Amino acid sequence: EPEVTQTPSHQVTQMGQEVILRCVPISNHLYFYWYRQILGQKVEFLVSFYNNEISEKSEIFDDQFSVERPDGSNFTLKIRSTKLEDSAMYFCASSETLGGASETQYFGPGTRLLVL
Amino acid sequence: RKEVEQDPGPFNVPEGATVAFNCTYSNSASQSFFWYRQDCRKEPKLLMSVYSSGNEDGRFTAQLNRASQYISLLIRDSKLSDSATYLCVVPKSYGQNFVFGPGTRLSVLP
Repeated sequence: EPEVTQTPSHQVTQMGQEVILRCVPISNHLYFYWYRQILGQKVEFLVSFYNNEISEKSEIFDDQFSVERPDGSNFTLKIRSTKLEDSAMYFCASSETLGGASETQYFGPGTRLLVL
Repeated sequence: RKEVEQDPGPFNVPEGATVAFNCTYSNSASQSFFWYRQDCRKEPKLLMSVYSSGNEDGRFTAQLNRASQYISLLIRDSKLSDSATYLCVVPKSYGQNFVFGPGTRLSVLP
């Protein structure tokens, strides 16, 4: 069964450093997403991406964040200058289309980011 | 009203019990709804999608009441492996970003 993959599974970084989280969405999916989950809290939407551009972003997704699809398979989330409060689990998701059964989003296993 | 609210839990039930979770949502324009389950420190995994009045898949039944903006999830004959956090998910607009509820934790006890 196709699945979303993410690397690395864990990332430890110093405050102020840049991190890049990588995702490989399901191959025939067209819509890509990043979510985050701070420990003990709910899953929160960050950004959605379609046709090589951001289609929607949340208030959390400020100028320190960026997304890119550098090639035909990878989808990345960059945090330019990490803060302590960026420590969270980051989930990538993808969906085939919008609407109906095919809007179901499938989640990757996540990258646990710890900012020290 | 918060965008998506769920029973606070936790629910501790014996094996074989029937348990129901409730979820309310604020966006009356939402057309589709989802239940995901999340194991500790793992990703959300799709359990059921709900597009009309309800859906049934084996021991799991989801019901939707659009007038009351309410979704429920019923689990019959609970198994130990059903222990997880159950997440009610409502898309914010047509497709696009998912709004997650805070989740309801279920522990099925032997």
